[in-house]
Amino acid sequence: EAGVVQSPRYKIIEKKQPVAFWCNPISGHNTLYWYLQNLGQGPELLIRYENEEAVDDSQLPKDRFSAERLKGVDSTLKIQPAELGDSAVYLCASSLGGSGEAFFGQGTRLTVV
Amino acid sequence: GENVEQHPSTLSVQEGDSAVIKCTYSDSASNYFPWYKQELGKRPQLIIDIRSNVGEKKDQRIAVTLNKTAKHFSLHITETQPEDSAVYFCAASKAGNTPLVFGKGTRLSVIA
Repeated sequence: EAGVVQSPRYKIIEKKQPVAFWCNPISGHNTLYWYLQNLGQGPELLIRYENEEAVDDSQLPKDRFSAERLKGVDSTLKIQPAELGDSAVYLCASSLGGSGEAFFGQGTRLTVV
Repeated sequence: GENVEQHPSTLSVQEGDSAVIKCTYSDSASNYFPWYKQELGKRPQLIIDIRSNVGEKKDQRIAVTLNKTAKHFSLHITETQPEDSAVYFCAASKAGNTPLVFGKGTRLSVIA
């Protein structure tokens, strides 16, 4: 069974440019998460989806970040415009129903220069 | 909301010794406590978890204990090996209702 797939693995952009990350969760997992991981820190939640509905997005900086999960499967996370402080690893995770177990993708390492 | 504190931030042990990492949580309604291992440049991977209806769980060299009254849980690794070197994260949630809230991580170094 394929795990959570993210792309791209690495992205380098200039500040003020837009960037988008893509995530394909484990088949059948209805819950999808986007986490931000700064160097030397634990993952921090940006947004959580239950199927196609965003149920927890209080930590998402909505002035520049947006996310969508069309048809309740794949998801994209966008930043526009990017700032130097956005440099981090963006992790996608998925889980099945109420199990609580979350499986992570490899992450996208974003560098803003 | 939930807050998870983890310590120590770094831990060095000799190969073959035991390692213990401790976490505390703030929300007494949390009922799911996983531990993740993250090697450099790789994804966090679930290594063991415990739910609030049990006090201890063991899987080979790894064990987790939970004290609901004190709101703390610990990871125990026995007979450590160099391949155990990684960053370990604890987390807490109300399974199926809230997302995982992570501690800041413990960098474990096992010295051969």
